[in-house]
Amino acid sequence: AQSVTQPDIHITVSEGASLELRCNYSYGATPYLFWYVQSPGQGLQLLLKYFSGDTLVQGIKGFEAEFKRSQSSFNLRKPSVHWSDAAEYFCAHTGVELSFGAGTTVTVRA
Amino acid sequence: KAGVTQTPRYLIKTRGQQVTLSCSPISGHRSVSWYQQTPGQGLQFLFEYFSETQRNKGNFPGRFSGRQFSNSRSEMNVSTLELGDSALYLCASRREGNYGYTFGSGTRLTVV
Repeated sequence: AQSVTQPDIHITVSEGASLELRCNYSYGATPYLFWYVQSPGQGLQLLLKYFSGDTLVQGIKGFEAEFKRSQSSFNLRKPSVHWSDAAEYFCAHTGVELSFGAGTTVTVRA
Repeated sequence: KAGVTQTPRYLIKTRGQQVTLSCSPISGHRSVSWYQQTPGQGLQFLFEYFSETQRNKGNFPGRFSGRQFSNSRSEMNVSTLELGDSALYLCASRREGNYGYTFGSGTRLTVV
């Protein structure tokens, strides 16, 4: 079955430090991959998406992600975290429908 | 441009009642999908509508149903509410052929 896995349930990072969130996918063909962010009580906001082409994808809010077929990964990165980046992050892929990982909660400490 | 609008934002219902949630997609988006989000199960796909037809359905009981109108607005209905139906219900719309799903802010349903 098609799926995405986010190994980290919770990550704490200091403001100004770099952030990397992991996502592994299981899919035969090249999947369409996404990263979404959700602030408490809010809907999901699309950070970036990968369909094909350049494996390094730039998104909004200074985020980027790299698709690595050999590792079946699509990790999200940000060089310098701001306190406003504290949220829950979801990796997702689409086949018939959009399927989400379990999410990673990011806490930013001052 | 206006985003995806979900109404109401919050809802409290009693077990056994039924509820209808509404979703207005972005103008020009004809595909509308619904998701249920709970702490235990995460984000789960309910169904997708396109041109007033249900195109895909997730693994939910028949108490969960939906429909789409000619203006692409969608409603979902849950009958005979159970405590476990308490969740954030999210609607997403997209333009056909484009996988850029845009989500609404959700409807928080509490069943007591």
